[in-house]
Amino acid sequence: DQQVKQNSPSLSVQEGRISILNCDYTNSMFDYFLWYKKYPAEGPTFLISISSIKDKNEDGRFTVFLNKSAKHLSLHIVPSQPGDSAVYFCAASAAYSGGGADGLTFGKGTHLIIQP
Amino acid sequence: EPEVTQTPSHQVTQMGQEVILRCVPISNHLYFYWYRQILGQKVEFLVSFYNNEISEKSEIFDDQFSVERPDGSNFTLKIRSTKLEDSAMYFCASSGATSTDTQYFGPGTRLTVL
Repeated sequence: DQQVKQNSPSLSVQEGRISILNCDYTNSMFDYFLWYKKYPAEGPTFLISISSIKDKNEDGRFTVFLNKSAKHLSLHIVPSQPGDSAVYFCAASAAYSGGGADGLTFGKGTHLIIQP
Repeated sequence: EPEVTQTPSHQVTQMGQEVILRCVPISNHLYFYWYRQILGQKVEFLVSFYNNEISEKSEIFDDQFSVERPDGSNFTLKIRSTKLEDSAMYFCASSGATSTDTQYFGPGTRLTVL
């Protein structure tokens, strides 16, 4: 049962352009969403998060948008740089409503390739 | 910048043997987690630990697995009798003072069961 879905296994974007990575979820209990970036042979690195009371959160070149009614979130990277080439994971939890140390539910990841 | 560390980076073991994977969480963090990623699959939650006890565990975390915080700095995952399907990357993570704080991940231990 895929509660968090990233339907694009890979995405190729030209340097300087906008990268948009998408994520859908099915569990309506999820109220906290995160994006992680992962290079080969390293652990996931936290990028940005958003709670369900917001619909947008911005941090430098990274912006996350949340559409609760559609159970959809997206990560925008502007402008895209070569160092952004990595696998991006969407993750979710019921952190605010769960009351405990909730584990994250991850999507399968999208491999972003930034072309020069 | 504080980071989560894990040892060893790669562990090779024979099926049926016990392994202990070690993690040093970020020093002022209170919540600790183990995840695994089988090759080609997604990262999966195993267990969370808070206040010296398991807070939550997934269906993957069966009786073969156990976790411990033996001292003030280490957090360990023990697999009692390894199986071939336990081969995976195992990631430790920690988060701060509340359960909604961001989870920071270590570099992982690659476990190979032969």
